[in-house]
Amino acid sequence: DIQMTQSPSFLSASVGERVTLSCKASQNINKYLDWYQQKLGEAPKLLIYNTNNLHTGIPSRFSGSGSGTDYTLTISSLQPEDVATYFCLQRNSWPLTFGSGTKLEIK
Amino acid sequence: EVQLVESGGGLVQPGRSMKLSCAASGFTFSNYGMAWVRQAPTKGLEWVATISYDGSSTYYRDSVKGRFTISRDNAKSTLYLQMNSLRSEDTATYYCTRADSSYIGWFAYWGQGTLVTVSS
Repeated sequence: DIQMTQSPSFLSASVGERVTLSCKASQNINKYLDWYQQKLGEAPKLLIYNTNNLHTGIPSRFSGSGSGTDYTLTISSLQPEDVATYFCLQRNSWPLTFGSGTKLEIK
Repeated sequence: EVQLVESGGGLVQPGRSMKLSCAASGFTFSNYGMAWVRQAPTKGLEWVATISYDGSSTYYRDSVKGRFTISRDNAKSTLYLQMNSLRSEDTATYYCTRADSSYIGWFAYWGQGTLVTVSS
């Protein structure tokens, strides 16, 4: 199975700050990497698919990049409504595997 | 508007069975692969199973293989998850998701989830 390691596990940042979340795969996943946002008590929501494609309706302050085993989600200017846990998901091979998540809070 | 509405969760004893349903609307159900993803209380997300648009192909995580069966009724626009021999570690909120682009595509839409509690 492909292991997905997210870092950091917890991040506290100020409104307006640029934030970077990391996801590292245990082997090459050929850019089949998605990012999901889950707010407290809600279902997850797709932000970005295939490394750098913004899902419909997602604000442009979210962006993704990466290749091979290393991937990044960037929030260019953190907003209060971005408080959530963020998960990455690899879809390169079965079983599909999620990272353990990064919990993002406002400082 | 795409809607996925899960039902069928609740409290069940270890070793017993339970069947989850997911009613889909707002899109042509028979054109999309579908999947179940679960989340144990206070834990992360875990992919459970995927089914192709026509039901001809299914995929499972090892821990549920042989116990869980994913199926679909395209005439009713409904996805199912039959869970047998349930264990305490199956306790989780189960989400129904739509797989876009292909059956191994991204999960663009999610239901609100249904909680399954396995306990005596």
